[in-house]
Amino acid sequence: DAKTTQPPSMDCAEGRAANLPCNHSTISGNEYVYWYRQIHSQGPQYIIHGLKNNETNEMASLIITEDRKSSTLILPHATLRDTAVYYCIVSRNNDMRFGAGTRLTVKP
Amino acid sequence: DAGVTQSPTHLIKTRGQQVTLRCSPKSGHDTVSWYQQALGQGPQFIFQYYEEEERQRGNFPDRFSGHQFPNYSSELNVNALLLGDSALYLCASSLGSGSNQPQHFGDGTRLSIL
Repeated sequence: DAKTTQPPSMDCAEGRAANLPCNHSTISGNEYVYWYRQIHSQGPQYIIHGLKNNETNEMASLIITEDRKSSTLILPHATLRDTAVYYCIVSRNNDMRFGAGTRLTVKP
Repeated sequence: DAGVTQSPTHLIKTRGQQVTLRCSPKSGHDTVSWYQQALGQGPQFIFQYYEEEERQRGNFPDRFSGHQFPNYSSELNVNALLLGDSALYLCASSLGSGSNQPQHFGDGTRLSIL
């Protein structure tokens, strides 16, 4: 499976949009991009996934570049409860290979 | 609609012992995956079970084994425990092995080895 590269940490002001980048330059054509987040002492929570089109749900939006080599997770109005580690994963067969993720801190 | 449930929530063992962890998948899911998460790191994939068989396996030794029952629940067994096996063990369920359906995680079992 392709590896992903994410910044180790990011800050965001409460109420503003949080834009979390992910590079996956070696992604293959049948691999999906998944985003999960993990709040301390809990299991990872599924956020969103996509193949090549942009996706939106009640939690977030996923923007995938046309060449599929990178993506951005957008939390439109970040709250303090969005403080967590966010993981970007690419997978074609549903075995999730987690990296270190991005620690997002939402500040008042 | 119950999500993924794991038991026990915490467990303490000593080196050389054996341990069994249990997982009940989310209703409607038929595939169970297990992960090990060391402190400060991302979860590492151990293996995945579907139709009562191990379908995929990560880079873990044979001391780690599992089982899936006809009701889709699963067990993770670890033999000859080492200090390095201290971790949070996570179970995730999904629909269909090898599909693109997302996995849903439980809150894990915290295993401490003394």
